Amino acid sequence: GAGVSQSPSNKVTEKGKDVELRCDPISGHTALYWYRQSLGQGLEFLIYFQGNSAPDKSGLPSDRFSAERTGGSVSTLTIQRTQQEDSAVYLCASSWRTGGTEAFFGQGTRLTVV
Amino acid sequence: AQTVTQSQPEMSVQEAETVTLSCTYDTSESDYYLFWYKQPPSRQMILVIRQEAYKQQNATENRFSVNFQKAAKSFSLKISDSQLGDAAMYFCALYSGGSNYKLTFGKGTLLTVNP
Repeated sequence: GAGVSQSPSNKVTEKGKDVELRCDPISGHTALYWYRQSLGQGLEFLIYFQGNSAPDKSGLPSDRFSAERTGGSVSTLTIQRTQQEDSAVYLCASSWRTGGTEAFFGQGTRLTVV
Repeated sequence: AQTVTQSQPEMSVQEAETVTLSCTYDTSESDYYLFWYKQPPSRQMILVIRQEAYKQQNATENRFSVNFQKAAKSFSLKISDSQLGDAAMYFCALYSGGSNYKLTFGKGTLLTVNP
C-alpha cells in the first residue's frame, strides 16, 4: 500500500473485553514496530518484528498483551481483559529493514477503555 | 540501555522567527542514527530530519537543521522562518546498532507558532 494503515482508527471498549488492533505495513517492509503513546508521554516501545519473528517481546507491558505477524505483512496486537490504564494511542511503524532507515508510521489507533 | 531526553515540554515561537528544540541522548554504541519526528494533531508521525553519527556534517532539510554535538551527546533541531504549519509535537529518536533494533523516543516538545 501507499502507507502504513492501521485499523480501527478509534476503538471504545468496555473494561474486561478483548480488543484486536491491526497494522498493514508498507509492502516490502520487513521490520515492523508497535508503540504505545499515552497522553502527554513519549512513545513506549512494545514489540518489534523482523519478518514474522519477534526477537524481543520484553516491551509488552503484561501477559494480557500479545502480537503476531503473518506472511511478513499484516500484524495484529491483541489486548485481553482490557483495563482503563490500557487507554492510549497505539502506533505501528514499518521500515524496509532495521538500522538507520526511516520508519514510516500509521495514524494510530486511539483505544479508550471505559 | 539507550535513552533520549527532551528537557523542553513546550516551546513557542513567533511566525517567521527561529526556534531551537533540545535533545540529549545516551548510548554505548559508536554507530547510531538520530532522528527528529513531527506529530501534528492528526497523529501522523512524519520524519523531519535524520543524522548518521559517523557524519560530522550537520544534516539540513530546507528550513530544518540540526546541531549534532557527538561528544556532548546533544542533537538539537533548529527551525528557521517558522510557519504556522510547523506547530506540532516534535520527538527526538535514537537508533543504535547491535541488538538495539528499536527506535527510542524522547517525551516530546510541543511547539506552538504564534501569528
